[in-house]
Amino acid sequence: DVKVTQSSRYLVKRTGEKVFLECVQDMDHENMFWYRQDPGLGLRLIYFSYDVKMKEKGDIPEGYSVSREKKERFSLILESASTNQTSMYLCASSWPGVGGYEQYFGPGTRLTVT
Amino acid sequence: GQNIDQPTEMTATEGAIVQINCTYQTSGFNGLFWYQQHAGEAPTFLSYNVLDGLEEKGRFSSFLSRSKGYSYLLLKELQMKDSASYLCGNRDDKIIFGKGTRLHILP
Repeated sequence: DVKVTQSSRYLVKRTGEKVFLECVQDMDHENMFWYRQDPGLGLRLIYFSYDVKMKEKGDIPEGYSVSREKKERFSLILESASTNQTSMYLCASSWPGVGGYEQYFGPGTRLTVT
Repeated sequence: GQNIDQPTEMTATEGAIVQINCTYQTSGFNGLFWYQQHAGEAPTFLSYNVLDGLEEKGRFSSFLSRSKGYSYLLLKELQMKDSASYLCGNRDDKIIFGKGTRLHILP
């Protein structure tokens, strides 16, 4: 069964802290994605990766970085958390190529920055 | 740039039919996706259209017109469990989503 897991369902951090959000998929997918989801704004793409050690900026990369050292793991890093990064963070993975390959989503991490 | 528009909210009655529209203006196109997302849960895949026309899958159907930049998701025989948000996504080299349509089903 297809599975994408995220390290935490809920996380509370303080302003200025460095935050790591981990995502692991067990489907041998090449593509992995990080989104954030906010009321009224929908799903917005932060970063994505098509291969190990490869990354591409999405629509809102500012304040974030990513790491993909292994195929199954894609990490989102908030170098210095700020209150406007309070959000639901969703990781997804898919097969490669530009065909109709659906994305499989993890359960999400609700991050609160105080 | 890319722009995807869909209604913010819709309400329908159990047993009825509802159509959720999506229009897009994008620099590239490699398919149109629909996802369902129940409150507090992750989105799940519903359908994918890359050619014009209607794709039917049980109670759900999805339509695409590439020349018009238009798609719709048709839900038949609505059930209470269909209460959810429905996300339209356009694929270029990555999937860009609209803001989602929250569908309320009344008994």
